[in-house]
Amino acid sequence: KNEVEQSPQNLTAQEGEFITINCSYSVGISALHWLQQHPGGGIVSLFMLSSGKKKHGRLIATINIQEKHSSLHITASHPRDSAVYICAVRGGGSQGNLIFGKGTKLSVKP
Amino acid sequence: EPEVTQTPSHQVTQMGQEVILHCVPISNHLYFYWYRQILGQKVEFLVSFYNNEISEKSEIFDDQFSVERPDGSNFTLKIRSTKLEDSAMYFCASSARGGNTGELFFGEGSRLTVL
Repeated sequence: KNEVEQSPQNLTAQEGEFITINCSYSVGISALHWLQQHPGGGIVSLFMLSSGKKKHGRLIATINIQEKHSSLHITASHPRDSAVYICAVRGGGSQGNLIFGKGTKLSVKP
Repeated sequence: EPEVTQTPSHQVTQMGQEVILHCVPISNHLYFYWYRQILGQKVEFLVSFYNNEISEKSEIFDDQFSVERPDGSNFTLKIRSTKLEDSAMYFCASSARGGNTGELFFGEGSRLTVL
């Protein structure tokens, strides 16, 4: 069974800082998701990756399949980025059969 | 922007009671999922549903759980006889496509409290 580890568990940053959240997994995957969970609990999908790099606004996600590692970067962080960021991986099952990490709680101070 | 809607946002029930959680996926989506998150723990996959049948389910999704798409728009999760440990946030998600090309869209969740 795939183990998904995220680091750090908690992260506090000052507004404007560059942020990196890391995700490692133990078994080969077909896709990796980065999700954002709001303080109220709702989940938003940020990226789905199977290789390389994706960028959306201030967010960048990268994946290294050989090293079984992905990173989520936030440039010019803002207090509204404060949330829990969750990495989830898909093995060989159906698309929605994901194994989730514990999440990284990010707090961006003004 | 289209969204996945879930009702109720919060339900409190007595142990042993049946609960139905409702989800309205995005209208042109074909793949539907349920997940749960016990307070303070990871999100866990429960079940995938496509073409009016379960395509995959986890060990958690035992005989007390069932899913249904009763009318072409709703997607429900039924818990037959709730236990204390069923207290969790339940998330519905949908996607237009399967495989590695279909982005997942999540609802805001339904919080279930079993007393």
